[in-house]
Amino acid sequence: EPEVTQTPSHQVTQMGQEVILRCVPISNHLYFYWYRQILGQKVEFLVSFYNNEISEKSEIFDDQFSVERPDGSNFTLKIRSTKLEDSAMYFCASRRGGQETQYFGPGTRLLVL
Amino acid sequence: KNEVEQSPQNLTAQEGEFITINCSYSVGISALHWLQQHPGGGIVSLFMLSSGKKKHGRLIATINIQEKHSSLHITASHPRDSAVYICAVSSTQGAQKLVFGQGTRLTINP
Repeated sequence: EPEVTQTPSHQVTQMGQEVILRCVPISNHLYFYWYRQILGQKVEFLVSFYNNEISEKSEIFDDQFSVERPDGSNFTLKIRSTKLEDSAMYFCASRRGGQETQYFGPGTRLLVL
Repeated sequence: KNEVEQSPQNLTAQEGEFITINCSYSVGISALHWLQQHPGGGIVSLFMLSSGKKKHGRLIATINIQEKHSSLHITASHPRDSAVYICAVSSTQGAQKLVFGQGTRLTINP
């Protein structure tokens, strides 16, 4: 069964460093999402992406964040200058057109020191 | 702004018990989702509902659109059902992002 994959599974970085989180959505899906979950808190929406552009973003998704679909398969989230409060589990999700069920990747656990 | 509230936040039960987790939301939605989060963090979609009731194995999900309320039931609960169960709603507009509840941590003791 097709699944969403994410790399790396864990990343430790120093404050101020750039990180890129990678996702490979399910191949025939058209809508892509990034969510994050700070430890002990609920999952929060960051950004959605459709037709090679951002379709919606949250207040969290400020100028330090960017997303890209550089080729036909990868979907990346870049954090330009990480802060301590960026430490969280980041989930990528995708869905088909015409369907609402989102399929989640296993997550990347980011720790900013 | 849509808020999603779940109850209870934590639930401990004995194997075999019937489990109910409740979810309320505040505005109109396109659909309501029940998801399961495993101890390692992975999220799996269990149900997507826009009306009525759905059943999958020992899991049953219901939704009352007028009351803006949904329930997730687990019959004949088993220790392997132990997980965090999350209610989320997708809006009628935009990219249909999910807005999540805080989750219900379920522990089933043998």
